[in-house]
Amino acid sequence: SSELTQDPAVSVALGQTVRITCQGDSLRTYYASWYQQQPGQAPVLVIYGKNNRPSGIPDRFSGSSSGSTASLTITGAQAEDEADYYCNSRDSSGNHVVFGGGTKLTVL
Amino acid sequence: QVQLQESGPGLVKPSETLSLTCTVSGGSISNYYWSWIRQPPGKGLEWIGYIYYSGSTNYNPSLKSRVTISVDTFKNQFSLKLSSVTAADTAVYYCAGWTQLWARFDPWGQGTLVTVSS
Repeated sequence: SSELTQDPAVSVALGQTVRITCQGDSLRTYYASWYQQQPGQAPVLVIYGKNNRPSGIPDRFSGSSSGSTASLTITGAQAEDEADYYCNSRDSSGNHVVFGGGTKLTVL
Repeated sequence: QVQLQESGPGLVKPSETLSLTCTVSGGSISNYYWSWIRQPPGKGLEWIGYIYYSGSTNYNPSLKSRVTISVDTFKNQFSLKLSSVTAADTAVYYCAGWTQLWARFDPWGQGTLVTVSS
């Protein structure tokens, strides 16, 4: 079982705002990174650190953290945002890497 | 821009050893911790382990007894060996660069499907 917990599925109406969460004790100490994975493709980093976006990632993607929960927020979700989203961070020991189980985002 | 490309057999027999190689281009192999990640069909991502160009390694405790990751700095390649495979090891295997400071994986290879079957 993963040390990071995500809701399996979330839905959002087109143009609305959605928050995808990732829970784990290690997140009290370490930041989470977030990845978007389209069907049949490799994951793509969308958020890392406190709230950093790699070049080319739209500014509708943002990250935040509070206590043991990290969040990825998409403000004004687009049809192309429909994908699986994964968080990752270090485990509680800080020595290893863990992924959340993933959240399937549906844009209605 | 760093690019990664996985290569290796797409079919491995049960009990044998899975071997994959990732070739790094467009950048220095000393800039990242080089990682392997896998994804069984229809399931989530699982970190396998990583290696630094110096040769130091870090493995997922759940796979540690079966995993070896090595690096060839002259060829700009790093490799994965997973021994005693079973059908549960069938997955898309990705190589990726891990940045310790930010705890992030970027870049990623395109992934390669490895099926364990007789």
